[in-house]
Amino acid sequence: EIVLTQSPATLSLSPGERATLSCRASQSVSSYLAWYQQRPGQAPRLLIYDVSNRATGIPARFSGSGSGTDFTLTISSLEPEDFAVYYCQQRSNWPLTFGGGTKVEIK
Amino acid sequence: EVQLVESGGGLVQPGGSLRLSCAASGFTVSSTYMSWVRQAPGKGLEWVSLIYSGGATYYADSVKGRFTISRDNSKNTLYLQMNSLRPEDTAVYYCARGIVGGNNWFDPWGQGTLVTVSS
Repeated sequence: EIVLTQSPATLSLSPGERATLSCRASQSVSSYLAWYQQRPGQAPRLLIYDVSNRATGIPARFSGSGSGTDFTLTISSLEPEDFAVYYCQQRSNWPLTFGGGTKVEIK
Repeated sequence: EVQLVESGGGLVQPGGSLRLSCAASGFTVSSTYMSWVRQAPGKGLEWVSLIYSGGATYYADSVKGRFTISRDNSKNTLYLQMNSLRPEDTAVYYCARGIVGGNNWFDPWGQGTLVTVSS
């Protein structure tokens, strides 16, 4: 099973600041990595898939990068609605796995 | 508009069974791949099961042999039959549709249904 480790566990930032979230895989997942956002009390929604492709309706301030084992989700300028928990997911190997999540909270 | 509505959750004793349903609208469940993902209280996401349009199914090791994913095309509904339930199966269960033009990525998701396994 591929283990995805997300860091930091919590990121405390102010609106307008840049957020950089990390996801590290225990073995290469090639470019088969996605990011999801989960706001409090809501279901997750897909932000980015295949490392850097934004899902339908996702604003351009969200971007993804990386390959192999190290990946990054960047939010260029935090909006109030971006304070949430973010999960990475790999589809390179079965079983599909998610990272433990990074909470982006208001500083 | 694509919509997913889960139902069937509740309180069940250890060793019991439950069937979750996910009613879909705005698309046909047989035309794409779909998945169940769960989230224990206060915890992260855990993939549970997936069914492809062709009918192939996959399961997490933690539920293999106990859970069965299926669909009813006439009702446009996805199911998760859960047997031999354990306290560690307690979670909100989400169904999710596979994205168009992607593979094993999921969006949208339903609102979830809570399963509590406790005596």
